[in-house]
Amino acid sequence: SQQGEEDPQALSIQEGENATMNCSYKTSINNLQWYRQNSGRGLVHLILIRSNEREKHSGRLRVTLDTSKKSSSLLITASRAADTASYFCATRMDSSYKLIFGSGTRLLVRP
Amino acid sequence: EAGVVQSPRYKIIEKKQPVAFWCNPISGHNTLYWYRQNLGQGPELLIRYENEEAVDDSQLPKDRFSAERLKGVDSTLKIQPAELGDSAVYLCASSLAGEDTGELFFGEGSRLTVL
Repeated sequence: SQQGEEDPQALSIQEGENATMNCSYKTSINNLQWYRQNSGRGLVHLILIRSNEREKHSGRLRVTLDTSKKSSSLLITASRAADTASYFCATRMDSSYKLIFGSGTRLLVRP
Repeated sequence: EAGVVQSPRYKIIEKKQPVAFWCNPISGHNTLYWYRQNLGQGPELLIRYENEEAVDDSQLPKDRFSAERLKGVDSTLKIQPAELGDSAVYLCASSLAGEDTGELFFGEGSRLTVL
C-alpha cells in the first residue's frame, strides 16, 4: 500500500514557470523526502525535511511540510526542460526504517 | 565513487521461466532494499536487508520470490516461476543505517517483461 499521494498526477508548464507538486500522507512521520526519476532511470534523492521542520530550500527547490494537515509541497522555481521527470514523495514513519513512496507527479517542462 | 549497480538492465522472458536480478550497493552501505515499480506507480518495497539479515520481507511474495544477500554486500532477487503480472522494474537501493540518514541511493533498475 502507498502512504503518500501526489497531486497533480501530471503537470505541464512552460520553461521558466514555477512548478508546484503536493503530497498528502496518512500517518505520523519521522521525515518526508522527495525524489526525481527521469524516464527509464532510477530515483534520485532531492531533499529531505524532518517532521519538526516547516520549510527547506535547496537551490531552485523549496519544500514545505504541514504535519497538522499531513501534507507537503515541492516547488521548483524557474523550471527548465531538464526538470522534466516524475517526482515522488516518500515518507518514513516514526520508529521505522521503511520508506513508503507515493504514486508520483509527472512533470513536463516545455521549451 | 560508484553508485548502486544493477544487472541486467532489461530482461524478457516467457511466463513460468525463472529470472534473477543482481545488485551491488554503494560500498559501506549496510542497508539494502529491493523495490518493485509498476508502470506509472511509485516503488513498493519487497525486502530490506540490514547486512545479511532480511529485517523486513513482509511484502515479498514468498511462493515465487526469493532474495539473498550473502556476506552482506551483493544481493540477488529471484523469481521462479515468473508470471505475467511480474512485469515491472525492479529497483535496488542502499543506504547508511541510522535514524538521521534517510536518503536512499537507487540503481538504474532492471526492467522485466514477462510474455
